[in-house]
Amino acid sequence: DTEVTQTPKHLVMGMTNKKSLKCEQHMGHRAMYWYKQKAKKPPELMFVYSYEKLSINESVPSRFSPECPNSSLLNLHLHALQPEDSALYLCASSVGGWMETQYFGPGTRLLVL
Amino acid sequence: ELKVEQNPLFLSMQEGKNYTIYCNYSTTSDRLYWYRQDPGKSLESLFVLLSNGAVKQEGRLMASLDTKARLSTLHITAAVHDLSATYFCAVDEANRDDKIIFGKGTRLHILP
Repeated sequence: DTEVTQTPKHLVMGMTNKKSLKCEQHMGHRAMYWYKQKAKKPPELMFVYSYEKLSINESVPSRFSPECPNSSLLNLHLHALQPEDSALYLCASSVGGWMETQYFGPGTRLLVL
Repeated sequence: ELKVEQNPLFLSMQEGKNYTIYCNYSTTSDRLYWYRQDPGKSLESLFVLLSNGAVKQEGRLMASLDTKARLSTLHITAAVHDLSATYFCAVDEANRDDKIIFGKGTRLHILP
């Protein structure tokens, strides 16, 4: 299995909602990542988990909360988002080191109303 | 502050031609990454360059890194239409594992 899966594919939420994005891989990779990409912009790295330990990107607001329950699963919990948080959220994984060749999921398109 | 500049930002070229995309960065780093993104799709990791003088090739694409010049190049040989995509370079700041900066991307359009 050489795939990174993300659910849901699309998500529409209000500013008062709480939702979660899910990412899963079964390649035995020990590093997993969340990226945010707004339309026609480059991706921005949000979070990195390496061997289930979080490496925090300082510029990420607390309304985004990552969770890595195990080495195969990565969640991104969303709470009190703003319309400017609407974007494509990409998950990726890599074998071991935190910036080796990454394998990306298809992404979740999020719209915040 | 680390800055990453790609050029050109847009490139339209004929099939069969060769061309180079440039990625300059502003501070010390010895790790540079190239990605491809098709319209409306996710990212694909192309190359990871981890040392000065590193050169990697995959098919018609070849990437190189000159850390002294703070420059990486992505060379396209005999372009084909299937290579049409946006190409991003990204650099991580030395000694800061949680900081990676992407260039704005080069939108490559190859005319059949």
